[in-house]
Amino acid sequence: GAVVSQHPSRVICKSGTSVKIECRSLDFQATTMFWYRQFPKQSLMLMATSNEGSKATYEQGVEKDKFLINHASLTLSTLTVTSAHPEDSSFYICSARVLFEREAFFGQGTRLTVV
Amino acid sequence: AQKVTQAQTEISVVEKEDVTLDCVYETRDTTYYLFWYKQPPSGELVFLIRRNSFDEQNEISGRYSWNFQKSTSSFNFTITASQVVDSAVYFCALRRGAQKLVFGQGTRLTINP
Repeated sequence: GAVVSQHPSRVICKSGTSVKIECRSLDFQATTMFWYRQFPKQSLMLMATSNEGSKATYEQGVEKDKFLINHASLTLSTLTVTSAHPEDSSFYICSARVLFEREAFFGQGTRLTVV
Repeated sequence: AQKVTQAQTEISVVEKEDVTLDCVYETRDTTYYLFWYKQPPSGELVFLIRRNSFDEQNEISGRYSWNFQKSTSSFNFTITASQVVDSAVYFCALRRGAQKLVFGQGTRLTINP
C-alpha cells in the first residue's frame, strides 16, 4: 500500500507554545487528508478534512483557530496546535487519500504531551 | 447518522484459542464500506480489510476471517489459533462513499502465552 509519513512521532512541549505536526504522502499525491485525535483508550475522532489548496473543513466542536490545518501541496498537510494546553495532550494521526480512490492510508501518529 | 458499535471493550484469551470480535453498524445508506484496522501498542493503524456493502461474501486471510451479514448489520472478525502478536486494539469502521471514516470504540485484545 501507499506510504504516509507523519513527523514527529513524539513531541513534548510547554504549555502556551505551538506545535506543528507534518503529514506527508511519500509515493502518491493526496488530494484529501484527514486529521484524527485519539485520547488514551478511546476511539479515533475526526478533527478535520483538508483538500489541497482549500480551507479545511472542521468537525463540530473542533476549534479551527486552535488547530490550524494547512494542505498547501498534494504531498503535505500540517496540523499546528496553537497555544497548547495539557488537555491537548493526545495521539494525533493523519490519513491521506487520492481522489476517487477507495482507500485512505494512515500515518504512524504523533503523541503530543503538553507539560 | 452512521454509527459503529463494538460492544466488547476488552477480550483476553490464551494463545491458540479462537476469538471473535463483534462489530455492529448503523447506516441508512445502501452503498457503504466497512473496515477493520489493527492498532498495536506503537500506535499506527494497520489496515486489515475493506468490504463494500454489495459484497457479502465472507473472507479468509490466513488466520483471519470476516463474516459480513447485512441482515444483522454486523461485520465480525475472527482470529483462529491466536498468537501473542495479535495483541492490539482492533477498530471496526464505516464509511459512506468518499466521506469520513466513522470508527467504533475499539476492542482491546490480549493474547496470553
